[in-house]
Amino acid sequence: AQSVAQPEDQVNVAEGNPLTVKCTYSVSGNPYLFWYVQYPNRGLQFLLKYITGDNLVKGSYGFEAEFNKSQTSFHLKKPSALVSDSALYFCAVRDSSSGAGSYQLTFGKGTKLSVIP
Amino acid sequence: ETGVTQSPTHLIKTRGQQVTLRCSSQSGHNTVSWYQQALGQGPQFIFQYYREEENGRGNFPPRFSGLQFPNYSSELNVNALELDDSALYLCASSLGGTRMNTGELFFGEGSRLTVL
Repeated sequence: AQSVAQPEDQVNVAEGNPLTVKCTYSVSGNPYLFWYVQYPNRGLQFLLKYITGDNLVKGSYGFEAEFNKSQTSFHLKKPSALVSDSALYFCAVRDSSSGAGSYQLTFGKGTKLSVIP
Repeated sequence: ETGVTQSPTHLIKTRGQQVTLRCSSQSGHNTVSWYQQALGQGPQFIFQYYREEENGRGNFPPRFSGLQFPNYSSELNVNALELDDSALYLCASSLGGTRMNTGELFFGEGSRLTVL
């Protein structure tokens, strides 16, 4: 079974400071990893993904994430936070060895990011 | 290019009733999946439809059922509603429903169901 843990319910950071939102995962095969963002009363928006290759992945709005296989982590980062980054962030994993035809994403519980002006 | 659209956006039902939620996938996408997001939780996978057939299902009872139509739009049906079914139901579309596809999901804004 696959699972995702986001150990922090909330992260507070001052505007202009770097931010990190943590994610660890568990899968039996090779992971496909994703970050999504959700604004209040909205659906989820894709930020970035790791499939294979370079461990540092760059995505939308200046976000990036680092895949660490030995630590089974995929932390989301941004060098300089903006107030508009305040939202709910979800990490998700799919096991590349899932049964044929399955595309199940398993999500973490989410981390609320608050960027303080 | 139109995105994923869902209807209705909000609805209220009573326990024991039935509900149908609708989803139009993003243009060119042939795969639709449904997720349930309870308050304060991450989305949970209900099932996926690819080429009009269910090809993946999460840990949800049979009273959760669905359809995909030839134009790739989809319905989620829930029978015998329970209080715990109150949640945001998210539809997501993608291109290619096999495990070889590494593409991301594109989500609609959801249908918020309240069961009284």
